[in-house]
Formats: sequence, C-alpha cells, structure tokens
Amino acid sequence: SQQGEEDPQALSIQEGENATMNCSYKTSINNLQWYRQNSGRGLVHLILIRSNEREKHSGRLRVTLDTSKKSSSLLITASRAADTASYFCATDGSNYQLIWGAGTKLIIKP
Amino acid sequence: DTGVSQNPRHKITKRGQNVTFRCDPISEHNRLYWYRQTLGQGPEFLTYFQNEAQLEKSRLLSDRFSAERPKGSFSTLEIQRTEQGDSAMYLCASSFHLGLNQPQHFGDGTRLSIL
Repeated sequence: SQQGEEDPQALSIQEGENATMNCSYKTSINNLQWYRQNSGRGLVHLILIRSNEREKHSGRLRVTLDTSKKSSSLLITASRAADTASYFCATDGSNYQLIWGAGTKLIIKP
Repeated sequence: DTGVSQNPRHKITKRGQNVTFRCDPISEHNRLYWYRQTLGQGPEFLTYFQNEAQLEKSRLLSDRFSAERPKGSFSTLEIQRTEQGDSAMYLCASSFHLGLNQPQHFGDGTRLSIL
C-alpha cells in the first residue's frame, strides 16, 4: 500500500518560476525523503528531513515538514528545464522499508 | 561508475516464460531492495536483503517471484511463469544501513514487457 500522496498529480510551469509540491502521509514517521525520477530512469535521492526538523534546504530545494498535519512540501525555486521529472515522497515503514506516493509530474516549459 | 547497475535494461518475453534480472549494488552498501513500478505510480516494495539475508518480502509478492543475494553482493530477481500483469519496471536500490532510513541509491531499472 502507498502511504504518501503527492499533490498535485501534475504541474506545468514556466522556466524561472517556483514549483511547489505537497505530500501527505498517514502514520507517524521517523523521517521523510524526496526523490526525483527522470523518464525511464531510476530515482535520485534529493533530500531527507527527520521528524524533529521543520525545514531543510539544499541548493534550490526547500523542504518543510509538519508532523501535526502529517504533510511535507517540496519547493523548487527558479525552475529550469532540467527539473522536468516526477517527484516522489517516501516515508519509513516497518523494518525500514520506504513507502512511496504516486508522485507529482513536473513539466518546466521553456 | 560506482552506482547501482541493473541488467538487462529491457526484457521482452512471452507469457509463461521465466525471467531473471540482476542487480549490482554499490559495493559498500549492506542493504539491497527490489521494487516494482508501473506507469504513473510510485515504486512498490517487493523485498529487501541485509547482506545475504532476505529480511522481508511483500505480502503482495506471489510465490512465482524469488530473489537471492548469495554472497551479500549482487542480487537476482526471478519471475517464473510470467503473466501479463508482471509487465512493469523492476527497480533495485541499495543503501548503507545505520539504523534509521538512509537514502537509497537506485539503478535505472529493468523494463519487463510480457507479450
């Protein structure tokens, strides 16, 4: 079963704009991770935020976590064509396996 | 290249045939995971190993699926008597287990098409 649910399912923006994706989950977590997947490729880890953290930055990425609402957001600032990909959140399940959402498909228009 | 390697990249086979995929993880990683992903969906957990021990299998994994990691290095995933519904991307990932979840490093997957 999939715990995370990303919102929106698809997002299309102009290059240079900011992109925000949201993830909601159902059970308590130790951490939440965001991954990117380019078409036909494997997933690439972007950022991990622990349950006691509220915000984390990595380059143009900003992740927030609200454990009271069981939600997280991923913000990509100053988007580029190369950011076109699907973005997934994953939470820790039993025995350390990851539980994944269905992803947000992001399209950056030049 | 020291990333996760999966072979083959693509496999086309007839229904009822057996297929085997191979995954070579990052060498110092002790955990290895198999996932299945269908179009428009996130990865679905299949099984994982810590070293050579298979610690968990998804309840969704039928007995036609078997995975091995004989020496705690590479792993194989075999599907026997393939069915149309087995068509998917099969992803392998590895990580170094330190207690709580560590980032997983993925290969580019094996895309299986059942005719």
